[in-house]
Amino acid sequence: DAMVIQNPRYQVTQFGKPVTLSCSQTLNHNVMYWYQQKSSQAPKLLFHYYDKDFNNEADTPDNFQSRRPNTSFCFLDIRSPGLGDAAMYLCATSRDKGANQPQHFGDGTRLSIL
Amino acid sequence: QQPVQSPQAVILREGEDAVINCSSSKALYSVHWYRQKHGEAPIFLMILLKGGEQKGHDKISASFNEKKQQSSLYLTASQLSYSGTYFCGTESANSGYALNFGKGTSLLVTP
Repeated sequence: DAMVIQNPRYQVTQFGKPVTLSCSQTLNHNVMYWYQQKSSQAPKLLFHYYDKDFNNEADTPDNFQSRRPNTSFCFLDIRSPGLGDAAMYLCATSRDKGANQPQHFGDGTRLSIL
Repeated sequence: QQPVQSPQAVILREGEDAVINCSSSKALYSVHWYRQKHGEAPIFLMILLKGGEQKGHDKISASFNEKKQQSSLYLTASQLSYSGTYFCGTESANSGYALNFGKGTSLLVTP
């Protein structure tokens, strides 16, 4: 029944140690998004894919990378996590681009940095 | 450009009404509304596409004033399950088809 699945739900990593978060979807949607959400703040878009077309937000740090090997999967790689990267990371999908497309969110991965 | 939501927080008794506002300094293509409970994913509520459009289901409805570049979410006869943080997400000319979310409005409904 789950449509946007994020793994793991909780991730703990050490300062500077690379970490990868994963997202999969069973909706066959063309667009996938990664958001960073810090406590009591709005989700902040990091990047999104329209099919294989990658779009990076201007203020997304270079430390963050993403891969989308196929329609169903998308990964967020943080090369050298800093304490400021501790947050909830949300993956979302939409069927297509356009103003009438709702986004479907996964339950998120909460990342902690030691 | 992040939309501005007001109020930041509201506390209601069950059965009372509330209005949450979302405004932008840019012309908007659409306004999306989501509700997020603590520790959970945001859940889609509705999209408004056209100026003057109003939508609703159950006792939650919204309107979109294109000229004023603002939207309002109306919660009528609130239920305990309405508690959560409400976000508006806006799409404008320079956002492509990505959403800019407001900071959210925290709503608490008490018995």
